[in-house]
Amino acid sequence: EDKVVQSPLSLVVHEGDTVTLNCSYEVTNFRSLLWYKQEKKAPTFLFMLTSSGIEKKSGRLSSILDKKELFSILNITATQTGDSAVYLCAVEGGSEKLVFGKGTKLTVNP
Amino acid sequence: SAVISQKPSRDICQRGTSLTIQCQVDSQVTMMFWYRQQPGQSLTLIATANQGSEATYESGFVIDKFPISRPNLTFSTLTVSNMSPEDSSIYLCSAWDRIFEKLFFGSGTQLSVL
Repeated sequence: EDKVVQSPLSLVVHEGDTVTLNCSYEVTNFRSLLWYKQEKKAPTFLFMLTSSGIEKKSGRLSSILDKKELFSILNITATQTGDSAVYLCAVEGGSEKLVFGKGTKLTVNP
Repeated sequence: SAVISQKPSRDICQRGTSLTIQCQVDSQVTMMFWYRQQPGQSLTLIATANQGSEATYESGFVIDKFPISRPNLTFSTLTVSNMSPEDSSIYLCSAWDRIFEKLFFGSGTQLSVL
């Protein structure tokens, strides 16, 4: 059974801190790994990673995938209160279906 | 990228009744999916909505409880039947946008069953 494990489950930091969120996975037929930010109901897409070792970056957010070790990290630098959200990691294991982790709840205090 | 309109945004329903959630995509997509997110939990796939054929359900979900329609490549509905308080969740429809390489979501339906 495909599985995604995220850590930590929750994290409280101060504005300006840098955070690293972790995602490890087990999937039969890996196609891609995706990161989402969920503030209210609908998750907002952040990154999709398919190749190992390639970093994707958007502003203060970046992510890298290690297909050999079966994990990914999401980095957020210079955190802001608006970064407070649940960050979800998901893997696509074929048939375009995603398996989601439980998420990391990030709280950024002013 | 593509946009999914989902409605209703939220509803409060009585036990034993049914609710139908609609999703409209602004472009044709091959695969549409329905997810559930119970309070404090992550997203769980309910089923894949197949155009022109019966939906494919994941383990633990059955057609009698969650009937799904997919009459064309831009529209799908999910019905939550004979509701109980345990059905209180966020329900999300989604579809792949292969051009922008992402699975995008509708705005979600917050369902509360009393």
